[in-house]
Amino acid sequence: QKEVEQDPGPLSVPEGAIVSLNCTYSNSAFQYFMWYRQYSRKGPELLMYTYSSGNKEDGRFTAQVDKSSKYISLFIRDSQPSDSATYLCAMSGNDMRFGAGTRLTVKP
Amino acid sequence: NAGVMQNPRHLVRRRGQEARLRCSPMKGHSHVYWYRQLPEEGLKFMVYLQKENIIDESGMPKERFSAEFPKEGPSILRIQQVVRGDSAAYFCASLTSGSRTEAFFGQGTRLTVV
Repeated sequence: QKEVEQDPGPLSVPEGAIVSLNCTYSNSAFQYFMWYRQYSRKGPELLMYTYSSGNKEDGRFTAQVDKSSKYISLFIRDSQPSDSATYLCAMSGNDMRFGAGTRLTVKP
Repeated sequence: NAGVMQNPRHLVRRRGQEARLRCSPMKGHSHVYWYRQLPEEGLKFMVYLQKENIIDESGMPKERFSAEFPKEGPSILRIQQVVRGDSAAYFCASLTSGSRTEAFFGQGTRLTVV
């Protein structure tokens, strides 16, 4: 079993839709949960991070962590074409592991 | 403050040659990760290094691959006797010793083996 599982998609939605991206994990040692965004031919950049279970909101983005279920989510409200990218979940404890990334396309 | 610098950006090697990928972390960062990204796939962990120390190399293939992060100079990922399957984008990320959340990535080195 992989430490971090993420559906690679691709996911295509119309502009304005709510997007839900998810990851599951197996390692209970993970304490920090991050979402990175990667545009084509670029390195990933940190979008959001959370430490504990619960929700964290930043503008149109909401990160959700459920440690009991080992499940994390990223919600994007009012999605825009500029949100089109690959979104990677990441988790860290003693070191950092990434999900496979979900490729998202938001169509105008 | 310069970001993470990787060079070369593009590298073409013939089968059997050696590939050397360099990563200069951000100033003040003492930890480096190397990841491999195959076309249409996510980041695969390879190795986690601290200066002069390999912390975790569980993602590194047992043969042909090696990595180092010397006291002075960049981190080097070395692939000997490259094969076509080594063609991928290789990303390094650096972070401070106290960070658990933000890894700063370079632009990657795209290796093509012909």
